[in-house]
Amino acid sequence: EVQLVESGGGLVQPGGSLRLSCAASGFIFSDDWMHWVRQAPGKGLVWVSRINRDGSSKAYADSVRGRFNISRDNARNTLFLQMNSLRAEDTAVYYCVRDRPGDNFYMDVWGKGTTATVS
Amino acid sequence: DIQMIQSPSSVSASVGDRVTITCRASQHISSWLGWYQQKPGQVPRLLIYDASSLESGVPSRFSGSGSGTDFTLTINGLQSEDFATYYCQQGSSFPLTFGQGTKVEIK
Repeated sequence: EVQLVESGGGLVQPGGSLRLSCAASGFIFSDDWMHWVRQAPGKGLVWVSRINRDGSSKAYADSVRGRFNISRDNARNTLFLQMNSLRAEDTAVYYCVRDRPGDNFYMDVWGKGTTATVS
Repeated sequence: DIQMIQSPSSVSASVGDRVTITCRASQHISSWLGWYQQKPGQVPRLLIYDASSLESGVPSRFSGSGSGTDFTLTINGLQSEDFATYYCQQGSSFPLTFGQGTKVEIK
């Protein structure tokens, strides 16, 4: 079964840091691009970041660029999101998401999410 | 950044109805448009990619159309399990962007 399991969320004060992890199983992790998407309470979906297969190419939303860093460890089938200088507006459920194989960017497998609360 | 605008923000419908949701992109995105369904307390699910291609396992009552800047998601014969929030997403360029969502509610 294809599965993504996030961890690392929690309560942190403004200006603090969190490191999110996402354990992948059931597919060849190193074959796929990966994303982080977040959803604030009662709000819509917001793309945060993506990384290519070998970690050599990364992209970020303007709202997190310079504060967040996406990385991956293909030997451990794990995706990470290091979040620094956190703000109240970063409070959200953070989803680890697989990029659907193909020419363009869609998201076909979602983890259950981990909640980051900045307060 | 490409803005994605959905309409309506919410729609009330009955089981068996045909429901249409539209999504407009602020720039031309060819057919690089996806649709997602999110039920309360659940994670999003990809329904449609490349504007009109049905994701594996998605019922055929869901269909998508459009290209360029204007897109449509249609649900033919709404079922009780279809009451949810639907999001469009452009897959053309980064940053990837979603519409604000359309909530399909029971009339």
